[in-house]
Amino acid sequence: KAGVTQTPRYLIKTRGQQVTLSCSPISGHRSVSWYQQTPGQGLQFLFEYFSETQRNKGNFPGRFSGRQFSNSRSEMNVSTLELGDSALYLCASSNRGQGLYEQYFGPGTRLTVT
Amino acid sequence: AQKVTQAQTEISVVEKEDVTLDCVYETRDTTYYLFWYKQPPSGELVFLIRRNSFDEQNEISGRYSWNFQKSTSSFNFTITASQVVDSAVYFCALTYNNNDMRFGAGTRLTVKP
Repeated sequence: KAGVTQTPRYLIKTRGQQVTLSCSPISGHRSVSWYQQTPGQGLQFLFEYFSETQRNKGNFPGRFSGRQFSNSRSEMNVSTLELGDSALYLCASSNRGQGLYEQYFGPGTRLTVT
Repeated sequence: AQKVTQAQTEISVVEKEDVTLDCVYETRDTTYYLFWYKQPPSGELVFLIRRNSFDEQNEISGRYSWNFQKSTSSFNFTITASQVVDSAVYFCALTYNNNDMRFGAGTRLTVKP
């Protein structure tokens, strides 16, 4: 079974721009969660999507948004980028509907904002 | 509020030594799940174990073992006979709803040959 894939793996953007990151979950997994990892704040939960609906949201400003498609693929968007948005963005999928609770993580997208 | 504390920021051991990574958690939920993940230099988080709050049995998987004690709100991870390939950052995490996971700050383990 293929693992969680994230594209692109690396990205450099300028302050004020917007960016869209993509995540394809493990086949059959319907839940996708996003996390931001920075040296200062560590791993922080952004949001979770299940069956195209946002089910949980972390404490991030509205510039961070996401969506999930009918095939469970998810995208995360950050608008008006700030220097502090530079981070590793991790996506995780789980087979929540089957009562399994392991989250499987992708390799991440490393975003650098200059 | 949920919180996970990994007080050990960095640990360095010599190969074949045993090492224990500490994890202390706080939660008001009666049902919750605890996890350990490994993050090698490549960046991908690798799932190691999940424990639910109703199962306090310790677990052993090869050189890895976990000690879950609700009385002290701890979920410690021991690597026996450490190897260089065990070098990574290890995260302990807690969730009550499966997907809003609260991670500890991580412990960077370096195993020297």
